[in-house]
Amino acid sequence: QEQLQESGPGLVKPSQTLSLTCTVSGGSITGGSYYWGWTRQPAGKGMEWIGRIYISGTTNYNPSLQSRVTISVDTSKNEFSLNLTSVTAADSAVYYCGRYVAYYGIDLWGQGTTVIVSS
Amino acid sequence: DIQMTQSPSSVSASVGDRVTITCRASQGISTWLAWYQQKPGKAPKLLIYAASDLQSGVPSRFSGSGSGTDFTLTISSLQPEDFATYFCQQANSAPFTFGPGTKVDIK
Repeated sequence: QEQLQESGPGLVKPSQTLSLTCTVSGGSITGGSYYWGWTRQPAGKGMEWIGRIYISGTTNYNPSLQSRVTISVDTSKNEFSLNLTSVTAADSAVYYCGRYVAYYGIDLWGQGTTVIVSS
Repeated sequence: DIQMTQSPSSVSASVGDRVTITCRASQGISTWLAWYQQKPGKAPKLLIYAASDLQSGVPSRFSGSGSGTDFTLTISSLQPEDFATYFCQQANSAPFTFGPGTKVDIK
């Protein structure tokens, strides 16, 4: 069955760029009418929606992060990525990648990866 | 942005109890609401989509209702594996905001 797996550094220095990749296995990222995106959850807090991308390249971002976030997709590698620039300690969180069904929610989640922003 | 609120923030219940959680949107979202279950250290799991449709594989003791701004998630007979945090998400328009969560713990 289809699975998602996040990868990337667990520690990022302040002011640097956080880069994560989500690899889709057991299926094609181009199969079905899905969006692919990212959410995050700071320790002990609620979930925050970051953004999503469609295979066509169309993106939606959270306005609170829009100036710093880029989500891209690489269909040849069956993966999509998150870049978040100029990070601060407030960006420390568990980051999840997910598969979005329009109007229905996130029906498939990665296991999550913890990112700490610290010098 | 659409703001999502939930009540209660936590509930203590026993196995077999009926549990109801409420989610409210700051503006109408039709039926574009999802409910998730999250256990400590785990990724969320989709339970309900489109306010009342049960995701495949989810037990029928879970049900959802509502439209517009007010929604409910009901667990008809709480099972040991249901002790977790539940949160809603509006799927109507970006940014697709989440509720703060309701923790269901053992009484």
